[in-house]
Amino acid sequence: QLQLQESGPGLVKPSETLSLTCTVSGGSISSSSYYWGWIRQPPGKGLEWIGSIYYSGSTYYNPSLKSRVTISVDTSKNQFSLKLSSVTAADTAVYYCASLKRIVGANPFDYWGQGTLVTVSS
Amino acid sequence: DIQMTQSPSSLSASVGDRVTITCQASQDISNYLNWYQQKPGKAPKLLIYDASNLETGVPSRFSGSGSGTDFTFTISSLQPEDIATYYCQQYDNLLITFGQGTRLEIK
Repeated sequence: QLQLQESGPGLVKPSETLSLTCTVSGGSISSSSYYWGWIRQPPGKGLEWIGSIYYSGSTYYNPSLKSRVTISVDTSKNQFSLKLSSVTAADTAVYYCASLKRIVGANPFDYWGQGTLVTVSS
Repeated sequence: DIQMTQSPSSLSASVGDRVTITCQASQDISNYLNWYQQKPGKAPKLLIYDASNLETGVPSRFSGSGSGTDFTFTISSLQPEDIATYYCQQYDNLLITFGQGTRLEIK
């Protein structure tokens, strides 16, 4: 059973870059059975998909965030990472990492990290 | 981009009631539709994938149906532990959109 854990600063200043890492355990990030993704949730609001990555490095981003987002993978550490540049208060949210199960069909998010709150404030 | 319209945004029902939530896609997504349950302070949990397939370990009172643009999520007999917010999520060529969520409360 996969386990995912987000890590990174809980406070980021406006205009700076938010950086988070997700560490995967219980399985290999190089598995062909999974994509890996980031999702965020502003306080009291709904879920927003940020982007996804395959172990080969292929990336897929939410068009509304694409200009500010970079997702990368480090197979040697079994980790994948998120960078979101030029942050504002609107980027304050709980950030989740999750696995997307590669099946024929809807590739659901089947395992999730516990989430980490990132606040953008000076 | 594919937009997902989920309704209602909130719902109050009694224990034992049948509860239905709908999700409409802005274009045909075949059956590429998943449903999640999120309890306060917790990560979402996958309940239904590919519109109608029950995830392993999920109680059979949860079900999903639909294809194309119109989808339905049903709890056949509401239990107190089902109090949560429910989200639909579509998958189209690795681009993903969530519905706005339905907050379910006990009457």
